[in-house]
Amino acid sequence: ETGVTQTPRHLVMGMTNKKSLKCEQHLGHNAMYWYKQSAKKPLELMFVYNFKEQTENNSVPSRFSPECPNSSHLFLHLHTLQPEDSALYLCASSQDHTSSYEQYFGPGTRLTVT
Amino acid sequence: SQQGEEDPQALSIQEGENATMNCSYKTSINNLQWYRQNSGRGLVHLILIRSNEREKHSGRLRVTLDTSKKSSSLLITASRAADTASYFCALRNSGGSNYKLTFGKGTLLTVNP
Repeated sequence: ETGVTQTPRHLVMGMTNKKSLKCEQHLGHNAMYWYKQSAKKPLELMFVYNFKEQTENNSVPSRFSPECPNSSHLFLHLHTLQPEDSALYLCASSQDHTSSYEQYFGPGTRLTVT
Repeated sequence: SQQGEEDPQALSIQEGENATMNCSYKTSINNLQWYRQNSGRGLVHLILIRSNEREKHSGRLRVTLDTSKKSSSLLITASRAADTASYFCALRNSGGSNYKLTFGKGTLLTVNP
């Protein structure tokens, strides 16, 4: 256990559905991240939050909408997704976003868009 | 921002052998990190090595960094079947958006019992 939990672990949704991914960290960290991991591609950074403020949006389509109500929780709201959005979505946290600390990852949500 | 390139893409060895994976990059870094990922799971941090460090150890893991050659290597000694996983190097660039950690495509290590 890394101290970062994600729910659900698996999600199948149609292109017209709306769903949310949840991430929670119990490490007292101040920075949280969303990554997308697709087959045969490097891990892609999507969003970065530091002290609840978004500091990075890596040109992510608006059908992905992040929310960070506090430093311990991070959500990724999904709507009208495309089949190519099927991937493993990983949440991570670190002490803060500017330091040289390592990141702690959750187990991921395997998303399938049908 | 740059990403590291791991080499080889896949490596298959017998239990008890050593495994060496390499990571090359192009521009200056603040630090370089190695992560492991078991199939379909999250990444687990292994070792962080800073740009002014040359070698670090953690248990059976040894990481070296050569900033003149812009490369790093991860050595796993006396490998075990449980070491089977993908291994990624991640770069934290110096200057600019140095809070971004960029990952390579990884090396898939298979340790056969």
